[in-house]
Amino acid sequence: TQLLEQSPQFLSIQEGENLTVYCNSSSVFSSLQWYRQEPGEGPVLLVTVVTGGEVKKLKRLTFQFGDARKDSSLHITAAQPGDTGLYLCAGTGNQFYFGTGTSLTVIP
Amino acid sequence: KAGVTQTPRYLIKTRGQQVTLSCSPISGHRSVSWYQQTPGQGLQFLFEYFSETQRNKGNFPGRFSGRQFSNSRSEMNVSTLELGDSALYLCASSQGGSGETQYFGPGTRLLVL
Repeated sequence: TQLLEQSPQFLSIQEGENLTVYCNSSSVFSSLQWYRQEPGEGPVLLVTVVTGGEVKKLKRLTFQFGDARKDSSLHITAAQPGDTGLYLCAGTGNQFYFGTGTSLTVIP
Repeated sequence: KAGVTQTPRYLIKTRGQQVTLSCSPISGHRSVSWYQQTPGQGLQFLFEYFSETQRNKGNFPGRFSGRQFSNSRSEMNVSTLELGDSALYLCASSQGGSGETQYFGPGTRLLVL
């Protein structure tokens, strides 16, 4: 049983398009993290959100933590081929609970 | 600082065998966590070691075990391998505080035939 469900599971878009990835749970987390994983590598932390309603921006990436701290979204503006990878959300408690993952492919 | 290193990077075993994977954390990090990643189940937590003691454990059978040495290096052992154990095994290190940033290694890809 996955505590964190991500949608969509797969996403293939053209360069320049916008996209949003969702991470949903019925559990409350003290914080939520987003990672990107490229083939042959381990996940790399992109951002940590802590406060309900918090919005963080990292260049073309915008992360939002839900008011109830149960869900989060990642929005990418003007996607580029370098954004291709597996995006994972992770909720923190006594351990890290990872989401099911969203595989993004940006076509040049 | 050097990143998290894992050895070996690739491994092929047959059912019934056992395997030991190694993880060297970032210098100064005292916590090492292990994860199993498969296409069907995603990234699942195996266990965490801190200062040579298992601090947290995921929901995996007893065939999966680990240990941590005084220099914080960690090993994970899987006995009586099953086909379903084929996966990417990732370790991550952190300084050890609750919710601290984890830094992942590149993983060991295990194939069980």
